[in-house]
Amino acid sequence: DGGITQSPKYLFRKEGQNVTLSCEQNLNHDAMYWYRQDPGQGLRLIYYSQIVNDFQKGDIAEGYSVSREKKESFPLTVTSAQKNPTAFYLCATTTEQRNVLTFGAGSRLTVL
Amino acid sequence: GQNIDQPTEMTATEGAIVQINCTYQTSGFNGLFWYQQHAGEAPTFLSYNVLDGLEEKGRFSSFLSRSKGYSYLLLKELQMKDSASYLCAAMDTGRRALTFGSGTRLQVQP
Repeated sequence: DGGITQSPKYLFRKEGQNVTLSCEQNLNHDAMYWYRQDPGQGLRLIYYSQIVNDFQKGDIAEGYSVSREKKESFPLTVTSAQKNPTAFYLCATTTEQRNVLTFGAGSRLTVL
Repeated sequence: GQNIDQPTEMTATEGAIVQINCTYQTSGFNGLFWYQQHAGEAPTFLSYNVLDGLEEKGRFSSFLSRSKGYSYLLLKELQMKDSASYLCAAMDTGRRALTFGSGTRLQVQP
């Protein structure tokens, strides 16, 4: 059945390590987004992509990188340059015809 | 850019009605969204307003006034399962991405 799959669900990382969060969708949606959520706060936009091989920085892109080589996939790398990476990361998709964002289940990253 | 404000917390009684307000300032507006988020879970879509007025969907209704930069989410016949955070978000026409408020944590009491 169609949906958005994020993995891993939980991830622990040591300081100084890069980690990559996976986001895969089989909804055939063009646009994909990465948001970060800190405890008790709303979602903040990290990166977004409206089409394959193109992506744009959001409001808090520093310390993160993405790629969009396939329509189905939009992985997010949290680099060692991100000073405070512990957070809940949410991937979302939408279509141009309908602006409603659909979210994956999220990945919770903890830096030890 | 966008700026979205909503109350941090609200408390209401089971069976009652609660209204969650949201004000927004935006450089390019293309719709106002409400999402529900239970603790530890992803947000789920509740409603979308792009024109002024009230949209009703079962126990949930959402209102928009574009001239005032104002929206509210109305929850009727509150149930314990409605205890969650409610996120107000505005769509930016320039980048076609949602900007979210900080969320309103609603606690429904017996």
